[in-house]
Amino acid sequence: QSALTQPASVSGSPGQSITISCTGTSSDVGSYNLVSWYQQHPGKAPKLMIYEVSKRPSGVSNRFSGSKSGNTASLTISGLQAEDEADYYCCSYAGSRVFGGGTKLTVL
Amino acid sequence: EVQLVESGGGLVKPGGSLRLSCAASGFTFSSYSMNWVRQAPGKGLEWVSSISSSSSYIYYADSVKGRFTISRDNAKNSLYLQMNSLRAEDTAVYYCARDRADSSGSLDYWGQGTLVTVSS
Repeated sequence: QSALTQPASVSGSPGQSITISCTGTSSDVGSYNLVSWYQQHPGKAPKLMIYEVSKRPSGVSNRFSGSKSGNTASLTISGLQAEDEADYYCCSYAGSRVFGGGTKLTVL
Repeated sequence: EVQLVESGGGLVKPGGSLRLSCAASGFTFSSYSMNWVRQAPGKGLEWVSSISSSSSYIYYADSVKGRFTISRDNAKNSLYLQMNSLRAEDTAVYYCARDRADSSGSLDYWGQGTLVTVSS
């Protein structure tokens, strides 16, 4: 399986909203609602932020939301805060897992 | 509190072998599928292997198939990754990660990782 496609970087100012896209194929993202998103700060382990396209684990801020249309999933972060600056990875589960290449979010 | 602690990383020569371990605590280990995910220096995440709760189902990424073997010991609450025929491109931080219990395919807890360096 090929890696899912994410923009290398996105940026936004505090308080703004940003969206990170994750494009796959009809065999992965498009086939199942099993897309998850992970946040990773430098030197730290990834943290689950969204699962099953749009569900938030307990303890994750409601500023994080997910959606999907066709073969593209999206992560939206509203009310950007400095601590949101991190790398974000999408992942599709279709028997095996495939991750996106990652997106570096910079909070200006 | 769920904890996953990896160990066994280190420096190994190309063609060599290494066995990683992941000690789990704070949850019923025998009820969860487990995974290894790696991250090469400065690169993104790459799923490596998964094993079901009773070891009945095992999956590997194409990049490691035939060289790596995942296993678990539910009595010891431990996950393992036997890595043989190591290559320079296997250099990475290796994370142990737990599957969520709801078959969503997502990974809800991760260890801090152990670094494997393959170099002569």
